[in-house]
Amino acid sequence: KAGVTQTPRYLIKTRGQQVTLSCSPISGHRSVSWYQQTPGQGLQFLFEYFSETQRNKGNFPGRFSGRQFSNSRSEMNVSTLELGDSALYLCASSLRQGRMGTGELFFGEGSRLTVL
Amino acid sequence: LAKTTQPISMDSYEGQEVNITCSHNNIATNDYITWYQQFPSQGPRFIIQGYKTKVTNEVASLFIPADRKSSTLSLPRVSLSDTAVYYCLVGDGGSQGNLIFGKGTKLSVKP
Repeated sequence: KAGVTQTPRYLIKTRGQQVTLSCSPISGHRSVSWYQQTPGQGLQFLFEYFSETQRNKGNFPGRFSGRQFSNSRSEMNVSTLELGDSALYLCASSLRQGRMGTGELFFGEGSRLTVL
Repeated sequence: LAKTTQPISMDSYEGQEVNITCSHNNIATNDYITWYQQFPSQGPRFIIQGYKTKVTNEVASLFIPADRKSSTLSLPRVSLSDTAVYYCLVGDGGSQGNLIFGKGTKLSVKP
């Protein structure tokens, strides 16, 4: 069974640009969540999508957005990049359906973004 | 928002038992507590999940007191390959069910 696939694995952008990251979940998983990981802040929750609808959102500015397609694949977009956006962006999929509780998350290997 | 607190780092030696505690106030009634392990340049990997009392699997045990405001991950007889960062995860106690990770505990196992 294929795991969670994230593309691209590495990318370099400059300030002011925008970036789109892609995540393909495990087959049958309808929940996809995104996280930002930095050395100083650890793992921070960005948002979660379920059946093409964003149902939870973390405390990030509106420059961070996402969407989910009918096949459960998800993309996240960061506009007007800042130096502080340099991070590892992780995607996770799960069978989680309800709002409460967590369920087991299956993570991809992440997309490492460097903003110059 | 719910907050989780873990020790930043811990040191241990091969063969010892390691206990890592996570404090999580405002945990919601329906939330489970989950622990993940992360190696450098990899995504986190599920270790164990529990709701209350004690849960044990082939790699770890999880102890949760009755008030559920904390949890302790126990790793028996650690080896060098257990050197990693360990995160506890609970849902936000609020209605939106956001997911809150601790900042992680970096465990270093020495020979």
